[in-house]
Amino acid sequence: SQQGEEDPQALSIQEGENATMNCSYKTSINNLQWYRQNSGRGLVHLILIRSNEREKHSGRLRVTLDTSKKSSSLLITASRAADTASYFCATDGANDYKLSFGAGTTVTVRA
Amino acid sequence: DVKVTQSSRYLVKRTGEKVFLECVQDMDHENMFWYRQDPGLGLRLIYFSYDVKMKEKGDIPEGYSVSREKKERFSLILESASTNQTSMYLCASSTSWTGKNTEAFFGQGTRLTVV
Repeated sequence: SQQGEEDPQALSIQEGENATMNCSYKTSINNLQWYRQNSGRGLVHLILIRSNEREKHSGRLRVTLDTSKKSSSLLITASRAADTASYFCATDGANDYKLSFGAGTTVTVRA
Repeated sequence: DVKVTQSSRYLVKRTGEKVFLECVQDMDHENMFWYRQDPGLGLRLIYFSYDVKMKEKGDIPEGYSVSREKKERFSLILESASTNQTSMYLCASSTSWTGKNTEAFFGQGTRLTVV
């Protein structure tokens, strides 16, 4: 079974609004990563947060991690049409290099 | 720039054929992964490898095998292709730092159709 589960499955917002998506996972992790996939293409890494970190920023992206709840959130501020994509969280196990992804959140930014 | 190259962008094979999907990375990464991606199911891990000649089963290894004879190359083999293996296949690689994964780099994917 997949380690990470994203919520919601789909999100539609107006340009300029913020987009928030969540990821829950089941077992202890070393780190949690977020990736973006534009239609029909490979995934691109966005941000990595380690298990001992609580929050991380990168440009318009803000990621939080709550290991007690086994959950993470990705916030995209001031969204643009180019942010239209699917977003995936990925976790690796505390004891191995297995990198597991969730089903993703599809974000549509309307002009 | 890291480059992960998958040998084919599109592939059509017949049921029962043995299919080889090749993946090559040029950054001396230790870890390599094979996923399949299906609508609504996200990425599911088939196999991964953390060293030459080492392989570990992922979540859905049935019907697949892998080979890693050289560090830069990780091959996915469909022993006898079936229609339910029609999917997008994604290869990725990553390095490790202090025993933990760092960011993974993905190839562009191979869309395999089994008829």
